[in-house]
Amino acid sequence: SQQGEEDPQALSIQEGENATMNCSYKTSINNLQWYRQNSGRGLVHLILIRSNEREKHSGRLRVTLDTSKKSSSLLITASRAADTASYFCATPGISGTYKYIFGTGTRLKVLA
Amino acid sequence: NAGVTQTPKFQVLKTGQSMTLQCAQDMNHEYMSWYRQDPGMGLRLIHYSVGAGITDQGEVPNGYNVSRSTTEDFPLRLLSAAPSQTSVYFCASRTGGSGGTEAFFGQGTRLTVV
Repeated sequence: SQQGEEDPQALSIQEGENATMNCSYKTSINNLQWYRQNSGRGLVHLILIRSNEREKHSGRLRVTLDTSKKSSSLLITASRAADTASYFCATPGISGTYKYIFGTGTRLKVLA
Repeated sequence: NAGVTQTPKFQVLKTGQSMTLQCAQDMNHEYMSWYRQDPGMGLRLIHYSVGAGITDQGEVPNGYNVSRSTTEDFPLRLLSAAPSQTSVYFCASRTGGSGGTEAFFGQGTRLTVV
């Protein structure tokens, strides 16, 4: 079974708008990661947030983590057409950080 | 640095055939993993390794074998291909670390079993 589940499954916005996607997970974690996948390509790491962090920024990306609700959100501000991709959260498996479990992803489409 | 290199990029197999998907990384990473990606299913972990000589099963290991004789290479073997193994396969590597570390992915192998 998958540890992380993203919501929504798909999102379509206009260029310049903000995009928010959410990830819920099931067990206690010590870190959570977000990745981007452009169509037909491998995944690219975006950001890692640790369990003792509530918020983290990287450029136009803002990630929050609420360990009490077992959820995280990824906000992309001032979106661009180049942000069109699928976004995945990844969390360590039950046995620890030896392996990561990915969610099903959010497909983001940014319209120019 | 080449990063994580997967070969081949595309492959068509007949049911029952065997083959090996290659994965190599040049970053001296301890951890390597294989995932398969199917529509609507996200990425599912097949096998992983925490170092040379050490491998373990992931979520969907049946029908696949792995070995890790060197730090650099982590091949995935399909023993007897089945149509259900039609998928896109990704190899990933990262350094160890209890706090979590960034994974680097290859570009994928698109496998079709007919």
